[in-house]
Amino acid sequence: SQQGEEDPQALSIQEGENATMNCSYKTSINNLQWYRQNSGRGLVHLILIRSNEREKHSGRLRVTLDTSKKSSSLLITASRAADTASYFCATDEYGNKLVFGAGTILRVKS
Amino acid sequence: DAGVIQSPRHEVTEMGQEVTLRCKPISGHDYLFWYRQTMMRGLELLIYFNNNVPIDDSGMPEDRFSAKMPNASFSTLKIQPSEPRDSAVYFCASSFGLGTETQYFGPGTRLLVL
Repeated sequence: SQQGEEDPQALSIQEGENATMNCSYKTSINNLQWYRQNSGRGLVHLILIRSNEREKHSGRLRVTLDTSKKSSSLLITASRAADTASYFCATDEYGNKLVFGAGTILRVKS
Repeated sequence: DAGVIQSPRHEVTEMGQEVTLRCKPISGHDYLFWYRQTMMRGLELLIYFNNNVPIDDSGMPEDRFSAKMPNASFSTLKIQPSEPRDSAVYFCASSFGLGTETQYFGPGTRLLVL
């Protein structure tokens, strides 16, 4: 079952703007990951943040993790049309497997 | 490495027919996962293997679904008999080390059951 909850469900922005997506989960975790899925393709891993980390950067991506609030955010800076995709968070809340959220659909208009 | 390989990429079949989906994980990865993605239910984990052994098949929807991993480089997901509600995109993914580390997804098999 889907446990992670992304917010918003859909987001439409102009090229060059920043995009922020949020993820909430229910129980303790060891790590949280973000994945991207382009239309008709498989999921691609973007970034992994561990429970003892608060912030992590990768290129134009910035991920934060607040374990006290059981939430994470993914920030994409200076968005491009190629960033148009669905973004999923995944947690290891339930043992040795990942549970994926329902995803945020991001549309970047050029 | 070529990444996770899945075949076929598209499958159209009639209700009642047997469907076999195939997956070749990344060499050296010891976890293999089968997922199903639909608009209604999102991405669901069906079953996963560790070192070719099925660990958790609680996501397999019915007895009509079965999965095998005869060796470290090959896995199959079989649906027999298929039903229209099985129409979905089926993904295979693999990972190294713990099952909760980075997973590498294949391109998926788009299944349509008429």
